[in-house]
Amino acid sequence: DTAVSQTPKYLVTQMGNDKSIKCEQNLGHDTMYWYKQDSKKFLKIMFSYNNKELIINETVPNRFSPKSPDKAHLNLHINSLELGDSAVYFCASSRFTSGTGELFFGEGSRLTVL
Amino acid sequence: SQQGEEDPQALSIQEGENATMNCSYKTSINNLQWYRQNSGRGLVHLILIRSNEREKHSGRLRVTLDTSKKSSSLLITASRAADTASYFCATVDTGNQFYFGTGTSLTVIP
Repeated sequence: DTAVSQTPKYLVTQMGNDKSIKCEQNLGHDTMYWYKQDSKKFLKIMFSYNNKELIINETVPNRFSPKSPDKAHLNLHINSLELGDSAVYFCASSRFTSGTGELFFGEGSRLTVL
Repeated sequence: SQQGEEDPQALSIQEGENATMNCSYKTSINNLQWYRQNSGRGLVHLILIRSNEREKHSGRLRVTLDTSKKSSSLLITASRAADTASYFCATVDTGNQFYFGTGTSLTVIP
């Protein structure tokens, strides 16, 4: 069974469109994250949720809105897509908020904005 | 920037050789973790070393941490072609936030 699964794996869309990426974890973890990996492989935290509550919201455009219907799901909705949004987006989860544990990553969702 | 910085950016070795990659960081840390990313895949946790530890082993992996120099190294012994991947260090600061670098791309030639 996949521990952290995200869909879709690939997403190609036009500028200005709205798209969503879904993430689910079956590990029973309390904390979930969204990371963005750029073309240089730099990983940047975007959001972190603990038990459905937002605890980290890095400086990302408000076109990005995370939604956590329950602690096993953290979806990412992006409005008015721009060329610079092209990247690989990773969902991750961890058992603890304290940072003393490891992160479990999904396989990534590659977003291409044309 | 608070991110870790890996060195070298790319490393190419023959199968059977050892691979060493380094990570430097700037802030005080709670712990430091190493992750591996195969091409087109997600990151996979390899090993965690706490700020009060100096060395840790896991199979063919050896990690060292020098908090006075704010640096860590990952040694992979007796490398295999299957070790080909990107390796990232992640520092976890005292505010419990994770910071990743841009990774070291390792190629192991059979």
